Amino acid sequence: EADIYQTPRYLVIGTGKKITLECSQTMGHDKMYWYQQDPGMELHLIHYSYGVNSTEKGDLSSESTVSRIRTEHFPLTLESARPSHTSQYLCASSRTGSAYGYTFGSGTRLTVV
Amino acid sequence: QKEVEQNSGPLSVPEGAIASLNCTYSDRGSQSFFWYRQYSGKSPELIMFIYSNGDKEDGRFTAQLNKASQYVSLLIRDSQPSDSATYLCAVNRATDKLIFGTGTRLQVFP
Repeated sequence: EADIYQTPRYLVIGTGKKITLECSQTMGHDKMYWYQQDPGMELHLIHYSYGVNSTEKGDLSSESTVSRIRTEHFPLTLESARPSHTSQYLCASSRTGSAYGYTFGSGTRLTVV
Repeated sequence: QKEVEQNSGPLSVPEGAIASLNCTYSDRGSQSFFWYRQYSGKSPELIMFIYSNGDKEDGRFTAQLNKASQYVSLLIRDSQPSDSATYLCAVNRATDKLIFGTGTRLQVFP
């Protein structure tokens, strides 16, 4: 059973609204990641963090921002949602070291109308 | 050329058959290799990982790694309709960041 939690599970919101997608993990993992995935398409890394106060942009340019004030918490914020932000957002975490894979949360499916 | 390549499929196999999923990678420094299963609308789930050349078996799943050929595969024996999903290959280089392939969609028909 995954110990990484994402809320909300589904979100429908109007254009221009500010939103925060929550991600928390109870495994003590140092590393956390945000991916964006459209239906039937590949995963795109948009942000990652290797520890508290450490955040980096991923391979896919995104208008979102992230913060990592606590080890267990890695929220993603969109200041002004647009229809092009409609997608599934997946949070993941891992231990330090190349031997470890990622544990994914259940995802947030965002629809901007 | 993508760093991790997979055939997008769909790969269709009859129930009870062996499904063979393949993945190639470009970075010879890659150290560990992972297979994830993703059902439609769900998040990826880790099912196998392998670090050393050769085979690693876990139940109906066998991962095979050939570092010289930069090739990793996943065999699913006695395939079931419940195995129908997209299978993602992921490679970990020394950066600790996984590089995912685009996934192969597997369909197991009764």
